[in-house]
Amino acid sequence: IQLTQSPSSLSASVGDRVTITCRASQGVSTYFAWYQQKPGKAPQLLIYAASTLQSGVPSRFSGSGSGTDFTLTISSLQPEDFATYYCQQLGSYPRTFGQGTKVDIK
Amino acid sequence: QVQLQESGPRLVKPSETLSLTCTVSGCSITSYYWSWIRQSPGKGLEWIAYIYHSGNTDHNPSLKSRVTISLDTSKNQFSLRLNSVTAADTAVYYCVRHQSNDRGSYDYWGQGTLVTVSS
Repeated sequence: IQLTQSPSSLSASVGDRVTITCRASQGVSTYFAWYQQKPGKAPQLLIYAASTLQSGVPSRFSGSGSGTDFTLTISSLQPEDFATYYCQQLGSYPRTFGQGTKVDIK
Repeated sequence: QVQLQESGPRLVKPSETLSLTCTVSGCSITSYYWSWIRQSPGKGLEWIAYIYHSGNTDHNPSLKSRVTISLDTSKNQFSLRLNSVTAADTAVYYCVRHQSNDRGSYDYWGQGTLVTVSS
C-alpha cells in the first residue's frame, strides 16, 4: 500500500494551525498512525488507530480519517513541534510509511 | 520504564551479513510483537520484519529472502540478520515494540544505529 503524504514541507509560525494529509492507495480502515521525528532522534508515536492520542502527547495534536484519507492537525503550533511528521499504515503487510512532512519556522 | 537498545557492527562489507541485536528492558519480550525498521535518505522509513515469541514472523518482500529475524527469551533480546548487503542497505536501523498485536503502532523505539556498508 502506497502512502502519499502532503505537503512534503511547510513553513509555519508559532500559533498557526497546521494540517498534514496522507492518502493510502487502498483502504486500511483505522489501522493508521502518525509519528514525529526530530533531527538525530528516533520517531515518536503521536496518534494511533487513526485518531487516538498516545499517552503523554499534547492535546493540540489530533488525527482523523478512515479508509484511505487521513489527517494530522496541530491546533496551535509550538516551538517544540518543528520536526518531520510521518504517517504509517498498519492495515496490511508490508507496513509502509509516508515520505514525511517537514515543518519548519516561517 | 521500557527501553530498547540496538547493538552490532557499524561497518559491514558488501556481500557480507549485517547482524544487529535489540536488548529490551522494562517489559517481557514474550508479551509483545517486535519489529526492525530502517531509515535511509533515499528511501525514508522502511519496515523490515516482525517477530512474536510464538514464532510468527514476516518480512518485507522488497528485501527478498535476505532477512532473518529471531528472538531469545532468556536474554530478552531479538535480532536481525540481513545477508548479501550492498551500499543500498546503508541506513539507521531501529528496533521497535508494537503497542499491542501485530497491527499495533510502534510505541517504543531504540535510539537507532547507523550501519554503513562499505569496503
